[in-house]
Amino acid sequence: EAGVAQSPRYKIIEKRQSVAFWCNPISGHATLYWYQQILGQGPKLLIQFQNNGVVDDSQLPKDRFSAERLKGVDSTLKIQPAKLEDSAVYLCASLKRENTEAFFGQGTRLTVV
Amino acid sequence: GQQLNQSPQSMFIQEGEDVSMNCTSSSIFNTWLWYKQDPGEGPVLLIALYKAGELTSNGRLTAQFGITRKDSFLNISASIPSDVGIYFCAGQEGMDSSYKLIFGSGTRLLVRP
Repeated sequence: EAGVAQSPRYKIIEKRQSVAFWCNPISGHATLYWYQQILGQGPKLLIQFQNNGVVDDSQLPKDRFSAERLKGVDSTLKIQPAKLEDSAVYLCASLKRENTEAFFGQGTRLTVV
Repeated sequence: GQQLNQSPQSMFIQEGEDVSMNCTSSSIFNTWLWYKQDPGEGPVLLIALYKAGELTSNGRLTAQFGITRKDSFLNISASIPSDVGIYFCAGQEGMDSSYKLIFGSGTRLLVRP
């Protein structure tokens, strides 16, 4: 079974530029999460999808961050415009259903300069 | 928002020693998950716990789901150098299809050969 795929692995952009990350969850997994992990901290939930609907985006900075999950499969997370404090690893995870294991991709390391 | 208190923050131990770390929450969780994260990688699932009081082992790792459903611990026996990494606990609550997954701040483990 293929794991969670994320791309790109690394991205360096200047502040005020825009960037997009892509995630392909494990086949059949209805729930998809995007997390932000700042160096030295635990992952912080940004947004959670159930199929193609948003379940929780309370921690998403909506003035600059957006995410979508068209057709309930792949998802993209966008930042526009980026700020220096957005430098972090962006992790995608998927979950088949409640009370099962969540699996993570390798993450995208974003550096904003 | 919900918080998980994970301790200790870091541990520096001698190879062969046993290690114990724990997480506590102000809220009840339905599932506790323990992950290990190596540098530059996404978190990898180690153990999943689904019932209060459940004790589960995976090789040298043992984890328990607290009776109150507000805490969990992870033990590593006879540590080896490849155990080095950051260990995260994560609690999952599931209500109305919102399977929010909350992470602790991590325990950094260093093993001295």
